[in-house]
Amino acid sequence: GAVVSQHPSWVICKSGTSVKIECRSLDFQATTMFWYRQFPKQSLMLMATSNEGSKATYEQGVEKDKFLINHASLTLSTLTVTSAHPEDSSFYICSATETNTGELFFGEGSRLTVL
Amino acid sequence: QKEVEQDPGPLSVPEGAIVSLNCTYSNSAFQYFMWYRQYSRKGPELLMYTYSSGNKEDGRFTAQVDKSSKYISLFIRDSQPSDSATYLCAMSGRGTYKYIFGTGTRLKVLA
Repeated sequence: GAVVSQHPSWVICKSGTSVKIECRSLDFQATTMFWYRQFPKQSLMLMATSNEGSKATYEQGVEKDKFLINHASLTLSTLTVTSAHPEDSSFYICSATETNTGELFFGEGSRLTVL
Repeated sequence: QKEVEQDPGPLSVPEGAIVSLNCTYSNSAFQYFMWYRQYSRKGPELLMYTYSSGNKEDGRFTAQVDKSSKYISLFIRDSQPSDSATYLCAMSGRGTYKYIFGTGTRLKVLA
């Protein structure tokens, strides 16, 4: 299947700093990418839908200014957690839709720990 | 009522058993159905992708879609301890890439 690469796989940062997570579709073009947050033993919580060349669409309750999403190309979307706080610590996962088939592929996830 | 319902488990079975995982849904517009496997602290891995109704088989995995009952299933034959994971169903309608996920079923295959 198609490959979605997510980087970094884990990051530890101090409270108040910003962290950027990258999501790349390696062997296909992804017009649409999604960002999720997942707490331990819970399902995926969709944060936002990222469309190439346009503003992201955020789910209700997700702060746009806190979680900045940029989808500058058909293979790259980034999520920036701004002024991170300990409550932002979580597992963040991206996914990308293979345009021709509609199949949805996930990255390996990024574990963020804010001290 | 949630759009997609999935029993969270955990479901424990002995090695070699046939596992049946299920999801029900309420939106009759759903056309695309997927099953994912997620190991702890990893991203979900696509197992099966089906369109509309019918069966699809891939190795030890069989996916079934019954649109009349709004019910999908994933069967795992000859289950192995390595199949122990959380299994997520996901579905979407035509013209949208936004998938709705079940909560996931935790499966434990005991050696």
